[in-house]
Amino acid sequence: SQQGEEDPQALSIQEGENATMNCSYKTSINNLQWYRQNSGRGLVHLILIRSNEREKHSGRLRVTLDTSKKSSSLLITASRAADTASYFCATDAGGSQGNLIFGKGTKLSVKP
Amino acid sequence: DTAVSQTPKYLVTQMGNDKSIKCEQNLGHDTMYWYKQDSKKFLKIMFSYNNKELIINETVPNRFSPKSPDKAHLNLHINSLELGDSAVYFCASRGLAGSGELFFGEGSRLTVL
Repeated sequence: SQQGEEDPQALSIQEGENATMNCSYKTSINNLQWYRQNSGRGLVHLILIRSNEREKHSGRLRVTLDTSKKSSSLLITASRAADTASYFCATDAGGSQGNLIFGKGTKLSVKP
Repeated sequence: DTAVSQTPKYLVTQMGNDKSIKCEQNLGHDTMYWYKQDSKKFLKIMFSYNNKELIINETVPNRFSPKSPDKAHLNLHINSLELGDSAVYFCASRGLAGSGELFFGEGSRLTVL
């Protein structure tokens, strides 16, 4: 299985601090994506990084990808209470169906 | 306008019943999916459907069957419901098969008593 594994499982920080979540996977990928899920809601796409990219930014989000170590990290800078959610990485091996395989998620709690 | 919509949002039923969850996307996407999220938040892919090609996760019991009347709809039918089927089921769609992001519905929480 190329399922991603997020680390840590849960993270609690104060508003204004940075939050870093890590993801490891097992097989070759076409791209890696990060999603956010608020409690009781569907997943929302945050950012996609391709296998030939090493770093990508989007607003307060920074994603890195190390294909030699089969790992990625998501950094949220200057966190806000509204960032409280579960964050999932998803690996995409490509192919005609392009199934995304999700990790188990990191539950982030940002305290005001 | 909701891009991917699922109904019902909540479904409570008895063991042994048959139920369906409907999904519609108005994004013009070619590929649609069903995912199951268990109580530990683990998301597992059940089916993907693209241009009438159905890919089934081999671990999904054959009591589960997707039905696609057209490109914009992928419904999930479940026969003989079991307690272990209780979960949140997510429909998703994707524009380009093999690339790009998934757009998810809000989920359908199924509770089997």
